[in-house]
Amino acid sequence: AQSVTQPDIHITVSEGASLELRCNYSYGATPYLFWYVQSPGQGLQLLLKYFSGDTLVQGIKGFEAEFKRSQSSFNLRKPSVHWSDAAEYFCAVGASGGSYIPTFGRGTSLIVHP
Amino acid sequence: GAGVSQSPSNKVTEKGKDVELRCDPISGHTALYWYRQRLGQGLEFLIYFQGNSAPDKSGLPSDRFSAERTGESVSTLTIQRTQQEDSAVYLCASSPPGLAGNEQFFGPGTRLTVL
Repeated sequence: AQSVTQPDIHITVSEGASLELRCNYSYGATPYLFWYVQSPGQGLQLLLKYFSGDTLVQGIKGFEAEFKRSQSSFNLRKPSVHWSDAAEYFCAVGASGGSYIPTFGRGTSLIVHP
Repeated sequence: GAGVSQSPSNKVTEKGKDVELRCDPISGHTALYWYRQRLGQGLEFLIYFQGNSAPDKSGLPSDRFSAERTGESVSTLTIQRTQQEDSAVYLCASSPPGLAGNEQFFGPGTRLTVL
């Protein structure tokens, strides 16, 4: 069975600082990997996804993530955080075959200090 | 184009009452998912519809929960005899067919409060 671990419940950064949110997954084959962002009172919005190919994926809002098979990780990064990035971030893993039910991590809450 | 819509946006009900939550997916999306999100927690999968196939109900927490979908359009999640622990945001998502089917488009959710 697939699983996702986001080890950090909360992350606090200063505006303008760099950001890295961790995500580790467990899946027997090549996974489909996603990062979603949820602003307060909103649904989830896709930031970026990895299906295959280049392991460094660019997304919206200046975010990027790197798939590292050897570490079973898909960490999200941003070089300079803006106050508007304060939100909940979810990593998800989807099956590359069979069931199309993705598994979500519990989320990481990003707090941005001015 | 229009995204996934959900109604109502907020629902307050009394313990023991039945509630119906509605989801309108993006046109052409064959897959539809329901999730529950309790305060400060992640997404809990409830049910998955794919085209005309039998739905995957493996995430439904009890027989008080049920969902229907008419073809590849609207879905309704019904919670009977609501309990206080049912209070949560209920999110609906839809996905296009094919390899991109893992990417989900989420609605804004319905916040359910059971008094």
